[in-house]
Amino acid sequence: DAGVIQSPRHEVTEMGQEVTLRCKPISGHNSLFWYRQTMMRGLELLIYFNNNVPIDDSGMPEDRFSAKMPNASFSTLKIQPSEPRDSAVYFCASSSWGLSSYEQYFGPGTRLTVT
Amino acid sequence: AQSVAQPEDQVNVAEGNPLTVKCTYSVSGNPYLFWYVQYPNRGLQFLLKYITGDNLVKGSYGFEAEFNKSQTSFHLKKPSALVSASALYFCAPRGNLIFGKGTKLSVKP
Repeated sequence: DAGVIQSPRHEVTEMGQEVTLRCKPISGHNSLFWYRQTMMRGLELLIYFNNNVPIDDSGMPEDRFSAKMPNASFSTLKIQPSEPRDSAVYFCASSSWGLSSYEQYFGPGTRLTVT
Repeated sequence: AQSVAQPEDQVNVAEGNPLTVKCTYSVSGNPYLFWYVQYPNRGLQFLLKYITGDNLVKGSYGFEAEFNKSQTSFHLKKPSALVSASALYFCAPRGNLIFGKGTKLSVKP
């Protein structure tokens, strides 16, 4: 199994530009999670999906952030327009969703730098 | 509500010595608990979990954790630390929707 795949691995963009991060979960997993990690705030859950449906997006910081999961094998996190404070490492994770007893499998992350 | 706390930002230990990374929890219902490790420039990696049964749980890389209901703790342990274990360690409750702030483990030769 290839694990969770994220692209791009690194993204450098200018303030105001649109950024799209991509994630392919592990085949057979029906839950997908987007996290953001910074030194100041640690690891924050942004949004998670169950069976392609967004369950909780209360962690999405602003309307500039949006996430979609059009099918079981693909999800995107979009920031439009981007700002310097969005600079962080963004992780995607997937898991089986049952009795909350399943661990998550994380992708390698996308390091976003907004100048 | 589910929450965990990692009281130490950093743990320093000499190679070969035993190590403990602390986690306390506050959960409703069954206290499913998890430990993850993050190496530099990598995503989090699952180490072990407690669901039910034996209070001592064994996981990857020789790590184990002891579930203690009376102390509401789930400390991560390893009998003999290796330099390669230097990383960031996260505790998480059931659902894995929130994580502790992380504890940086530094093992010196």
